[in-house]
Amino acid sequence: DTAVSQTPKYLVTQMGNDKSIKCEQNLGHDTMYWYKQDSKKFLKIMFSYNNKELIINETVPNRFSPKSPDKAHLNLHINSLELGDSAVYFCASSQDPSGGPGTGELFFGEGSRLTVL
Amino acid sequence: GNSVTQMEGPVTLSEEAFLTINCTYTATGYPSLFWYVQYPGEGLQLLLKATKADDKGSNKGFEATYRKETTSFHLEKGSVQVSDSAVYFCALSSGTSYGKLTFGQGTILTVHP
Repeated sequence: DTAVSQTPKYLVTQMGNDKSIKCEQNLGHDTMYWYKQDSKKFLKIMFSYNNKELIINETVPNRFSPKSPDKAHLNLHINSLELGDSAVYFCASSQDPSGGPGTGELFFGEGSRLTVL
Repeated sequence: GNSVTQMEGPVTLSEEAFLTINCTYTATGYPSLFWYVQYPGEGLQLLLKATKADDKGSNKGFEATYRKETTSFHLEKGSVQVSDSAVYFCALSSGTSYGKLTFGQGTILTVHP
């Protein structure tokens, strides 16, 4: 079984459309994340949820809305897609969000490559 | 704020060559340091970590030592293989970051037979 699974793996769409990416983890972790990786491989955190509550919300356009129906799922909905949204979006999970020693072992999904035309 | 700087890539080596990928950081407090690896078409996976000064993380022949005095966490491997071709990310997590990792820009490594 895949520990962190994302769907779809590839998404090609037109500017102005709305799309969603789903993420599920079966590791029993309390915290889930969305990261964006641009064409130069640079990774930046977008959101983090702990037990369905938002704990990190970086400077992200409000066209991006995460939703966590339960602690095993964190979905990402994007409204009014723009060319600059083209990227690979990674979902991740971890056990401990507190930032203490040992924190930082994130388990990543395989990524969802979004192409906006 | 926290930041991580990695050496510019891409890095191209022949099999069995020695690898060093430099990583330096700035952070408040006492961060934990990590190397993640991303193989082609896959997500990132933890390669090794160190949680306090002078700790050495190691895995799959890779090593990195947490150097507080130079704020560095350089990745090394004595003899690389073609299968080590991947993107390598240095990252840190500090006590106030609620598990948020700050990543370096990634270094693409290609190993030729």
